[in-house]
Amino acid sequence: DAKTTQPPSMDCAEGRAANLPCNHSTISGNEYVYWYRQIHSQGPQYIIHGLKNNETNEMASLIITEDRKSSTLILPHATLRDTAVYYCIVRVAGNQFYFGTGTSLTVIP
Amino acid sequence: NAGVTQTPKFQVLKTGQSMTLQCAQDMNHNSMYWYRQDPGMGLRLIYYSASEGTTDKGEVPNGYNVSRLNKREFSLRLESAAPSQTSVYFCAGGQGVGSPLHFGNGTRLTVT
Repeated sequence: DAKTTQPPSMDCAEGRAANLPCNHSTISGNEYVYWYRQIHSQGPQYIIHGLKNNETNEMASLIITEDRKSSTLILPHATLRDTAVYYCIVRVAGNQFYFGTGTSLTVIP
Repeated sequence: NAGVTQTPKFQVLKTGQSMTLQCAQDMNHNSMYWYRQDPGMGLRLIYYSASEGTTDKGEVPNGYNVSRLNKREFSLRLESAAPSQTSVYFCAGGQGVGSPLHFGNGTRLTVT
């Protein structure tokens, strides 16, 4: 099963870009990479997902390496409200999504 | 448009009691999921339902049962609650491969 590895914590200055890395070296060709975030103990909030190409939406950009073994979530101008735990997950075994422990991002004023 | 709704929001049980956590979605999702999250940890999959009438075990199914009552509703039952089941439970729905999951706001369960 494809799993993901993320750094446990990161800091980012307010207004700067936050770059959150994720390794998914065992990902297979048809598995998407999804990013979620969780603020306090609320339900995880969907951010973005992609298969091969880079993706951008109103919240973030997703950069996937050509070999698809890693990806980076970019929050272009981090705000204090972006302080959260960010999860990079891969859909495995058909309909199952497995979460790891994520990266705790702290945006510093 | 409520999305994914979980009830109750909070619950306290005594060891050995039973209860059912309810989840309903109005997003026409084919797949539905139950996760649990313990303090300081990520989400772990308990059970999921790929479509109406089907259910499958996830990572941590022991001590739980589920029912996919119809396309909208997916319930999680604890037959005999144990303190180890103290956790926050999240329900989610999804449409299929290439589509993200949408989560409810959770049920906070304490078993004493």
